[in-house]
Amino acid sequence: DAGVTQSPTHLIKTRGQQVTLRCSPKSGHDTVSWYQQALGQGPQFIFQYYEEEERQRGNFPDRFSGHQFPNYSSELNVNALLLGDSALYLCASRLQGIRYEQYFGPGTRLTVT
Amino acid sequence: DQQVKQNSPSLSVQEGRISILNCDYTNSMFDYFLWYKKYPAEGPTFLISISSIKDKNEDGRFTVFLNKSAKHLSLHIVPSQPGDSAVYFCAASNSGGSNYKLTFGKGTLLTVNP
Repeated sequence: DAGVTQSPTHLIKTRGQQVTLRCSPKSGHDTVSWYQQALGQGPQFIFQYYEEEERQRGNFPDRFSGHQFPNYSSELNVNALLLGDSALYLCASRLQGIRYEQYFGPGTRLTVT
Repeated sequence: DQQVKQNSPSLSVQEGRISILNCDYTNSMFDYFLWYKKYPAEGPTFLISISSIKDKNEDGRFTVFLNKSAKHLSLHIVPSQPGDSAVYFCAASNSGGSNYKLTFGKGTLLTVNP
């Protein structure tokens, strides 16, 4: 049973650049959420995708956008990177309407220089 | 505005003893609470959860207690083992709208000494 997978593991970008992070949900799951975890903080909700639509969004600027594909995988895009975007980006999946528990991937460590 | 608070950044206990991790919340709309464990270089792993209609949920060595009037929950680990050493996150959710967004605390680093 494949768990949540994310790519790449690590990424270094320069301020002003754009980045795309990828996530494949746990087998059987159809809902994907993205979280940002800054150093010393808990994960912060960015947005959630279900049926290829953004269903809920946290307090993040429009520079953060996403997409969900028909196979339920998802992408997180961040434009015009700032130094403060350096963080661990976590993807979580669950089955819509069935369970509360979300299963997390290992994350992508983004460093903006 | 921190809606979920874990006021102890760290906790150290001896192997075999009880570990008690605490969590407070301010949003009365939260109706489901979860604990996650996180090792370095890994994503958070779901540990145990509790609905607001209950005051206790037990799973093996792990028990979560919920005190709704105090807006407080705690995770008890008995007996503690060195492999339990990790960062523990408390998370809360509001099922309204069926979106189940999780709001996390900052985490507590548990160290279990052999």
